[in-house]
Amino acid sequence: DQQVKQNSPSLSVQEGRISILNCDYTNSMFDYFLWYKKYPAEGPTFLISISSIKDKNEDGRFTVFLNKSAKHLSLHIVPSQPGDSAVYFCAGVAKTSYDKVIFGPGTSLSVIP
Amino acid sequence: DVKVTQSSRYLVKRTGEKVFLECVQDMDHENMFWYRQDPGLGLRLIYFSYDVKMKEKGDIPEGYSVSREKKERFSLILESASTNQTSMYLCASSLGLAGNNEQFFGPGTRLTVL
Repeated sequence: DQQVKQNSPSLSVQEGRISILNCDYTNSMFDYFLWYKKYPAEGPTFLISISSIKDKNEDGRFTVFLNKSAKHLSLHIVPSQPGDSAVYFCAGVAKTSYDKVIFGPGTSLSVIP
Repeated sequence: DVKVTQSSRYLVKRTGEKVFLECVQDMDHENMFWYRQDPGLGLRLIYFSYDVKMKEKGDIPEGYSVSREKKERFSLILESASTNQTSMYLCASSLGLAGNNEQFFGPGTRLTVL
């Protein structure tokens, strides 16, 4: 039973346009949500996070939106660049569970020049 | 700059062999984690440790054990490797367990069990 779902395994976007990566979750106890980015042959790196008490967090070209009632979050990348091509993992953290990070299956983003 | 290193990038072992995967971090982090990454399943937590000699089971601990004798080193042990343990193994560390603590990952070890 996946607590964090990323229903799009892959996404292709033209350079300069907006990339929207979606994530749904089932665990209402998550206190934080995280996005990690992974290039081939490298470990994931932290990208951006959002607390469950907020609905938006922005960091440069990256914005994460949280809709708690729909148990849905999304990562917006504007404008998309070829260097953004990577696998993006959505994750949830619940303090009631030793702060374990529960990752989704990932979405592979390709930004086409 | 946090650095997490893993002893091997690629490893090929035979069924039944004992396998050691080593992970070292250089930032004095309290917490260390072992994940496996499989297509369509994302990263799944095997074990984690929040202090020397302490360990906690993650979501898929069966077939694995861990050792943390020193703060900077966290080892994953496959007592008797099986083909379904063929996977990418990722080690991570973080300063604290508080929800927003960033985890720093190593480059991964791709293990193939024949």
